[in-house]
Amino acid sequence: ETGVTQTPRHLVMGMTNKKSLKCEQHLGHNAMYWYKQSAKKPLELMFVYSLEERVENNSVPSRFSPECPNSSHLFLHLHTLQPEDSALYLCASSQDGYGYTFGSGTRLTVV
Amino acid sequence: QKEVEQNSGPLSVPEGAIASLNCTYSDRGSQSFFWYRQYSGKSPELIMSIYSNGDKEDGRFTAQLNKASQYVSLLIRDSQPSDSATYLCAVKNTGNQFYFGTGTSLTVIP
Repeated sequence: ETGVTQTPRHLVMGMTNKKSLKCEQHLGHNAMYWYKQSAKKPLELMFVYSLEERVENNSVPSRFSPECPNSSHLFLHLHTLQPEDSALYLCASSQDGYGYTFGSGTRLTVV
Repeated sequence: QKEVEQNSGPLSVPEGAIASLNCTYSDRGSQSFFWYRQYSGKSPELIMSIYSNGDKEDGRFTAQLNKASQYVSLLIRDSQPSDSATYLCAVKNTGNQFYFGTGTSLTVIP
């Protein structure tokens, strides 16, 4: 495996479900990110893990919960989502903020 | 004011022409600028980075930076249909935060 891998590629979930998105980076980077990409909107930074510190966008609802067990793995736990949370969720990694590399994304649909 | 602004397009150019994509940013102290290409249904991929005023060329791509005008552009020479994609401008500001524009959709017409 090379680069940044994300699973699953597609996810359909009901509003009462709990699911998790997974990301793994094979680049030796020291920072990982979750982004949300909605139609006609800029990429929205949700969470950053850099050197084991978490920085988050305060506008992200608590129904999104990140977990970073080590520098290579990142999870996004989802619960009681809303239809407006349907979007493409992208994981990325970088070395000190440079060399941003994105994963292929998870297309999430909340029904 | 948005951190990074781009014309969403769509921009259409004939094959072989020069495509010009523009981006402005609000943080005057920003030092790092990036262009990403995103094909439909795919994730963004980095195609150019620029840190100093002036032009930076890489194959058919030229990035231009003017910090005084807070303006960065991407020129694609000899445009090919395979260049049809959304191009995202990204800026790393003085707070070390990364901001993306909404992207410009480019269509190269054969």
